[in-house]
Amino acid sequence: ILNVEQSPQSLHVQEGDSTNFTCSFPSSNFYALHWYRWETAKSPEALFVMTLNGDEKKKGRISATLNTKEGYSYLYIKGSQPEDSATYLCAFPLVHQGTYKYIFGTGTRLKVLA
Amino acid sequence: DSGVTQTPKHLITATGQRVTLRCSPRSGDLSVYWYQQSLDQGLQFLIQYYNGEERAKGNILERFSAQQFPDLHSELNLSSLELGDSALYFCASNQAGGSTDTQYFGPGTRLTVL
Repeated sequence: ILNVEQSPQSLHVQEGDSTNFTCSFPSSNFYALHWYRWETAKSPEALFVMTLNGDEKKKGRISATLNTKEGYSYLYIKGSQPEDSATYLCAFPLVHQGTYKYIFGTGTRLKVLA
Repeated sequence: DSGVTQTPKHLITATGQRVTLRCSPRSGDLSVYWYQQSLDQGLQFLIQYYNGEERAKGNILERFSAQQFPDLHSELNLSSLELGDSALYFCASNQAGGSTDTQYFGPGTRLTVL
């Protein structure tokens, strides 16, 4: 079974805390890993597309790392703010019968308390 | 605002009926993706089109069909609707349709089947 798993499912942190969460994906036939930020009542917004093993990407206080050999990616948020409260999704394009389909994790729901 | 538009925003219909959801991609984008987000499930990839042709297929039911027109807008047709089809349907677009390309999501259409 080829699955994308995210942990933890949900997380409450205090404003100013740093936090991180994990996305695990199949380590074979890797093409890319996508991270999205999804705020309530809005649509998912792309954060990063990770393609190279060892890659590290950064956007403000949010950064992500990638390990394709062991099949995981970490998303870090430094100095969390209430506006960081959202569900963070990862997605993996799975190659299947000559084409690919996107498999999404169920997300990590982050709540930052003021 | 991602530049992707979806209509209608809300749709309420009865079991057994047929509906059409419409998506206009960002200007210049050739690829359109459709996703379903049900209450009890995460984001599910349905289908992808690129420049009018089907490129990738996910867990799309036989009762559902989609197409992309010459002006690049796309429609998702859902027929013989069941209660379980109630969900938020998102469309996303990008320029090249590759697995490493960022996807831009529309605001979604909320379908309620009574």
